[in-house]
Amino acid sequence: KNEVEQSPQNLTAQEGEFITINCSYSVGISALHWLQQHPGGGIVSLFMLSSGKKKHGRLIATINIQEKHSSLHITASHPRDSAVYICAVNSGSNYKLTFGKGTLLTVNP
Amino acid sequence: NAGVTQTPKFQVLKTGQSMTLQCAQDMNHEYMSWYRQDPGMGLRLIHYSVGAGITDQGEVPNGYNVSRSTTEDFPLRLLSAAPSQTSVYFCASSFGNTIYFGEGSWLTVV
Repeated sequence: KNEVEQSPQNLTAQEGEFITINCSYSVGISALHWLQQHPGGGIVSLFMLSSGKKKHGRLIATINIQEKHSSLHITASHPRDSAVYICAVNSGSNYKLTFGKGTLLTVNP
Repeated sequence: NAGVTQTPKFQVLKTGQSMTLQCAQDMNHEYMSWYRQDPGMGLRLIHYSVGAGITDQGEVPNGYNVSRSTTEDFPLRLLSAAPSQTSVYFCASSFGNTIYFGEGSWLTVV
């Protein structure tokens, strides 16, 4: 079974700061997902990565397949970025996902 | 295009009662799944389906039943609710490596 570890568990930042959330996994994967969950809300897919780097607005996701590691970066953070960010991996050819426990990000104005 | 629709949003059950969480998607996705989310733990897979008529157990299937009579619908049944089933439940559907989640169902068993 793939073990997915996220760090940090909790992160508090001031508005405008650059944020990095990390995700490591133990077994080779076919894809890695970054998800966002606002308090009391649903879960939204931000990125799906199998290699390299993706950018969407102020969010950037990178993955290093050899090191089994991915990072989610938020540039110029804003209070509306406050949410739980979840890393999830596909380990095989099926659709089953293994999830990290999430990183709670709080951005203060 | 509504995506994944999950009902009810909130529910309080008494121990021993049964209920069904509804999940429907309008994207013609073959793969659907149910997860539960508990404090301090990642989402855990309860049951999943790779197409109409096909279901299988996930990581934590005990106390839950599913069926998939159509591509669109994937209901989750709690057979005899227990306090340990107090949780937030998410339905999801997938195509390729894209996944869509429902809004979640907050279930409390007293």
